[in-house]
Amino acid sequence: DVKVTQSSRYLVKRTGEKVFLECVQDMDHENMFWYRQDPGLGLRLIYFSYDVKMKEKGDIPEGYSVSREKKERFSLILESASTNQTSMYLCASSLLDRGFSVTGELFFGEGSRLTVL
Amino acid sequence: KNEVEQSPQNLTAQEGEFITINCSYSVGISALHWLQQHPGGGIVSLFMLSSGKKKHGRLIATINIQEKHSSLHITASHPRDSAVYICAVGGSGGGADGLTFGKGTHLIIQP
Repeated sequence: DVKVTQSSRYLVKRTGEKVFLECVQDMDHENMFWYRQDPGLGLRLIYFSYDVKMKEKGDIPEGYSVSREKKERFSLILESASTNQTSMYLCASSLLDRGFSVTGELFFGEGSRLTVL
Repeated sequence: KNEVEQSPQNLTAQEGEFITINCSYSVGISALHWLQQHPGGGIVSLFMLSSGKKKHGRLIATINIQEKHSSLHITASHPRDSAVYICAVGGSGGGADGLTFGKGTHLIIQP
């Protein structure tokens, strides 16, 4: 059974703390994504990666960084958490097509609900 | 950037009813995804389509590329179909640009 696993379902952190959210996929997918989901705003892309050590900014990268040292693992880092980063974070993966676009089926993790106090 | 509009935003129906959720987008795409999100957060991919129609059980997805429109239908709806249904489009940015998502349709099926 194919799987995308996020390290934590629920986290509570304090303002200014460094936060790591990890995502691992077992499908040998090239593409990996980090999204945040907020009520009324839907899913918004933070960063994505189409290969090891490659990363591209999404729509809302400010305040976040990412790391992809191995193909199966994509980490989201909040260097100094702030209250406006309280959200649901979702990781996803997919195959990469020749046009480097997301046309493969998407697989999502269960989500990590982060609260920053 | 593609604009993705879903309608309706909220839908409450009785068990057994035929359900239709619509998705329109503004720029040509390579593929359209229908996703389902149950309370608790996890998202499941229902369909990925680039033309025509796909069917899986009681779910049917259609896409009209010329009209830039897709519909998701649920036949013989059941309370377990209650979820948020999200439309997402991809391949319109000319690069590895991820997907553009609609804001979702919150569906409640009452027994």
